[in-house]
Amino acid sequence: ILNVEQSPQSLHVQEGDSTNFTCSFPSSNFYALHWYRWETAKSPEALFVMTLNGDEKKKGRISATLNTKEGYSYLYIKGSQPEDSATYLCALGGYQKVTFGTGTKLQVIP
Amino acid sequence: DTGVSQNPRHKITKRGQNVTFRCDPISEHNRLYWYRQTLGQGPEFLTYFQNEAQLEKSRLLSDRFSAERPKGSFSTLEIQRTEQGDSAMYLCASSLRGQGSTGELFFGEGSRLTVL
Repeated sequence: ILNVEQSPQSLHVQEGDSTNFTCSFPSSNFYALHWYRWETAKSPEALFVMTLNGDEKKKGRISATLNTKEGYSYLYIKGSQPEDSATYLCALGGYQKVTFGTGTKLQVIP
Repeated sequence: DTGVSQNPRHKITKRGQNVTFRCDPISEHNRLYWYRQTLGQGPEFLTYFQNEAQLEKSRLLSDRFSAERPKGSFSTLEIQRTEQGDSAMYLCASSLRGQGSTGELFFGEGSRLTVL
């Protein structure tokens, strides 16, 4: 059973602060690492899918890094805004199913 | 294409009744996944299909749950003899698995089940 762990479970930050979350996973049998953003009353939406060790991806103020050898990924948000408030899900895409972590719930306080 | 659609969006039922949810994926996507999400948890894998073949079903899943994807298009998830513990959001997602694809999941808006 793939075990994808995320920390912290929840986070409150002030508007303008930068923040980061961690996703850890078993490094064996790796295929792809996904990050999704899930806003209340909406569907989860993909932010990044990364497959290569050392991958770094960026979308606006959000970026992610991947270390497949040690089994972790970081998601960074620079200058948090209230619209960044959401649950951020990490998922491990094996050759077969995609397994999710429990998520990090971010609340950005104006 | 309007994306992944699920219906009904909400279902309230009495314990012991059967319920069925439908998912229409993005038309060219060959993979379809079902997840269940309860408060404070991430999406829990239930089952997935590649085209019409059901390739894996969670070992945690009761025999009361069954899913189909006839002709590799839409999918249905049926829960028989519902129990209060089945109350959750049921999410469907589709993806394109193959050379050159990222495999990212596209989610529907979910079907929320409440069992009284």
